[in-house]
Amino acid sequence: DTAVSQTPKYLVTQMGNDKSIKCEQNLGHDTMYWYKQDSKKFLKIMFSYNNKELIINETVPNRFSPKSPDKAHLNLHINSLELGDSAVYFCASSQNGQGEQFFGPGTRLTVL
Amino acid sequence: QKEVEQNSGPLSVPEGAIASLNCTYSDRGSQSFFWYRQYSGKSPELIMSIYSNGDKEDGRFTAQLNKASQYVSLLIRDSQPSDSATYLCAVESAGGTSYGKLTFGQGTILTVHP
Repeated sequence: DTAVSQTPKYLVTQMGNDKSIKCEQNLGHDTMYWYKQDSKKFLKIMFSYNNKELIINETVPNRFSPKSPDKAHLNLHINSLELGDSAVYFCASSQNGQGEQFFGPGTRLTVL
Repeated sequence: QKEVEQNSGPLSVPEGAIASLNCTYSDRGSQSFFWYRQYSGKSPELIMSIYSNGDKEDGRFTAQLNKASQYVSLLIRDSQPSDSATYLCAVESAGGTSYGKLTFGQGTILTVHP
């Protein structure tokens, strides 16, 4: 049973395109996150949602827009993709917005 | 100064030895600390959490926390080649708009050789 799932696993696209990544968790958690891991493996939080409400919004370009239709789903839409957006994007979830976070398998985004 | 800093690797230990991974953090108000293991091409996997000063043991893993020194460590006893991975230290921010935010260190690559 997959706890936190993401689609797609790989995404290769051209500069300037718009793309979306989807995340779903079946852990019953109420908080979900998006992280970006760059080529140096540094993992940094981008956003978090608690019960569909935006809680954490780090310094991320406006081209990135998260959406949470319900507490089990968190999507990430990226407009006008740039070369620097190439990274692995991880979704994670936790209960009550604190404590242990559990990560999805990641989406490797390559912008050409 | 980095918010969360780990000892620079890579760290190489022989099979059966103790691997020691260290982490310092800058936010004095932090109360929750985590160690994640990440195999190459995989997602971070939580292996230890610690909230109080002192030691916490789970199998071959021991986490140590010293809030006064703003220091957290992970010891892996009887290291196995399967422990070879990148270990990430994560510190949870306390209160305010950063509530629940995890800040990660840059990771330490551990290699256990037979």
